[in-house]
Amino acid sequence: NAGVTQTPKFRILKIGQSMTLQCTQDMNHNYMYWYRQDPGMGLKLIYYSVGAGITDKGEVPNGYNVSRSTTEDFPLRLELAAPSQTSVYFCASSWSSGGGVYNEQFFGPGTRLTVL
Amino acid sequence: GENVEQHPSTLSVQEGDSAVIKCTYSDSASNYFPWYKQELGKRPQLIIDIRSNVGEKKDQRIAVTLNKTAKHFSLHITETQPEDSAVYFCAATGKNRDDKIIFGKGTRLHILP
Repeated sequence: NAGVTQTPKFRILKIGQSMTLQCTQDMNHNYMYWYRQDPGMGLKLIYYSVGAGITDKGEVPNGYNVSRSTTEDFPLRLELAAPSQTSVYFCASSWSSGGGVYNEQFFGPGTRLTVL
Repeated sequence: GENVEQHPSTLSVQEGDSAVIKCTYSDSASNYFPWYKQELGKRPQLIIDIRSNVGEKKDQRIAVTLNKTAKHFSLHITETQPEDSAVYFCAATGKNRDDKIIFGKGTRLHILP
């Protein structure tokens, strides 16, 4: 299994440009997440999904959009990029979020985004 | 909602000594407490977890303890080695399948030679 994969690894955007960060998992996980991690800081949840067709906002959703048309894919869309969106973006997936077992979140390798 | 506080934010220990990182949580319904390790430039990875029906769990040099009454849990690393240098995140989540996992802000652990 490849686990969680993300593309691209690095990207530089100009202010006002848009882009989509791709995330794919091959573990048949229902739950998928997008986090951002600013330099030296913790993980902030942007959006999450509990299954195909269902998404919900996290702690810092402004400036981002997501969709979940399949179990495997959970793309993150940045519209009108701003310098404040310079960060490392991690996608993650898990079998469940709370409850019984299989809560472990598996993270992708991250996308390092710079907005100039 | 749940809130997870983590201390200290930075910790430096001499190689071979022990390191302890502490977290508190606010929701008494939380019942699953994982710890993630993030090495420099890498992704976070689960290193150990504990559920509310146990008070302690060990895996070689790392252990986690849980005090449900006080609503705090701790990560203990013994005989620290250079490869233990990383950022460690604690987290908490509840018993329902859709309960969100809440992460602490992280502790940067430096192992000094």
